[in-house]
Amino acid sequence: KAGVTQTPRYLIKTRGQQVTLSCSPISGHRSVSWYQQTPGQGLQFLFEYFSETQRNKGNFPGRFSGRQFSNSRSEMNVSTLELGDSALYLCASREVTTMNTEAFFGQGTRLTVV
Amino acid sequence: EDQVTQSPEALRLQEGESSSLNCSYTVSGLRGLFWYRQDPGKGPEFLFTLYSAGEEKEKERLKATLTKKESFLHITAPKPEDSATYLCAVNVAAGGTSYGKLTFGQGTILTVHP
Repeated sequence: KAGVTQTPRYLIKTRGQQVTLSCSPISGHRSVSWYQQTPGQGLQFLFEYFSETQRNKGNFPGRFSGRQFSNSRSEMNVSTLELGDSALYLCASREVTTMNTEAFFGQGTRLTVV
Repeated sequence: EDQVTQSPEALRLQEGESSSLNCSYTVSGLRGLFWYRQDPGKGPEFLFTLYSAGEEKEKERLKATLTKKESFLHITAPKPEDSATYLCAVNVAAGGTSYGKLTFGQGTILTVHP
């Protein structure tokens, strides 16, 4: 089975611009979550999508948004980029069952805002 | 507020020197505790899921245990290739839609010298 695929791997953007990151989950996984990882804050939950609906949202400003498509692929958008948005953005997919199953992560997109 | 604290922040071992990493948590309603390994510049790699106090899981040189307040990741006779950041994460019961949210500790950076 192919793993979680995130594109692009690296991005450099200018302050004020917007960016879209993409995530393809493991086949059969319908839950996709996004996390931001920085040296100071560690891994922080952004949001989760399931069946094209946002189920959960972390404590991030409205500039961070996402969506999920009918094939479970997900995109994350950050508008009006700030220097502090520089981070590794990770996507994780999970098989939804009655049990609390583990999440599998992609390699991440390294975003640098200059 | 849910809290996950990992200790030590960094651990240096000689090859073959066994040790343990700690993950203590203060949450209301633990659904699951997860251990991940992360190599530099890569996404976290899933290791173990623990659901209830007393549970233990093993994989090669790693063994994870869970009590009502903490989890330990025991590393027996480590090798240099075990060098990585080890992350602990919890999922808590906060309504029926919270399965996808993980709260992470800051991680333990393990270095194993030959």
